[in-house]
Amino acid sequence: AQSVSQHNHHVILSEAASLELGCNYSYGGTVNLFWYVQYPGQHLQLLLKYFSGDPLVKGIKGFEAEFIKSKFSFNLRKPSVQWSDTAEYFCASLSGGYNKLIFGAGTRLAVHP
Amino acid sequence: NAGVMQNPRHLVRRRGQEARLRCSPVKGHSHVYWYRQLPEEGLKFMVYLQKENIIDESGMPKERFSAEFPKEGPSILRIQQVVRGDSAAYFCASSAGPQRVEQFFGPGTRLTVL
Repeated sequence: AQSVSQHNHHVILSEAASLELGCNYSYGGTVNLFWYVQYPGQHLQLLLKYFSGDPLVKGIKGFEAEFIKSKFSFNLRKPSVQWSDTAEYFCASLSGGYNKLIFGAGTRLAVHP
Repeated sequence: NAGVMQNPRHLVRRRGQEARLRCSPVKGHSHVYWYRQLPEEGLKFMVYLQKENIIDESGMPKERFSAEFPKEGPSILRIQQVVRGDSAAYFCASSAGPQRVEQFFGPGTRLTVL
């Protein structure tokens, strides 16, 4: 069965530190990958998505992710985090039938001023 | 956010009662998805509906849970005879089409079963 793994469940950083959150997926077919963010008390928002083409994807708020097919990975990065990036981050893959998202367990990021 | 509405935002039920969760998709979207997030876990797919049709309910528990998306009105996720294990956040998402199209999420309904 398709699955998505996020290995870091809790990450604590100081402002201006660099961020990389790991995401691995299991599906061997055509992949459609997403990163969502959930700020405290808010709904999930799409940060970025990858369907095809350039494996380095730019998203909103300075985030980017790199699709590495050989490693089945889609890691999220930001060169310099801010306190306002404190949130929970979810990696997701669209199912082979294109009708549902398969989510990782999420990573809670806390950024200290 | 593109405007998925969910209500109520918080719902408290005693064991054995019924819970009804409502979702109004983005205007013009005819595809609705329900996901459940248990404590310390990621979101898990429950059901995918189009207007008046259930397309995929592979994530729905076999008993007590049902969903509908009528021609008029919001989508409803109904949980009968709730148990403590049903306590979770329930998220609704909508999209304009089923394939490779972004799903927009609502704020969720947090169900607490006492």
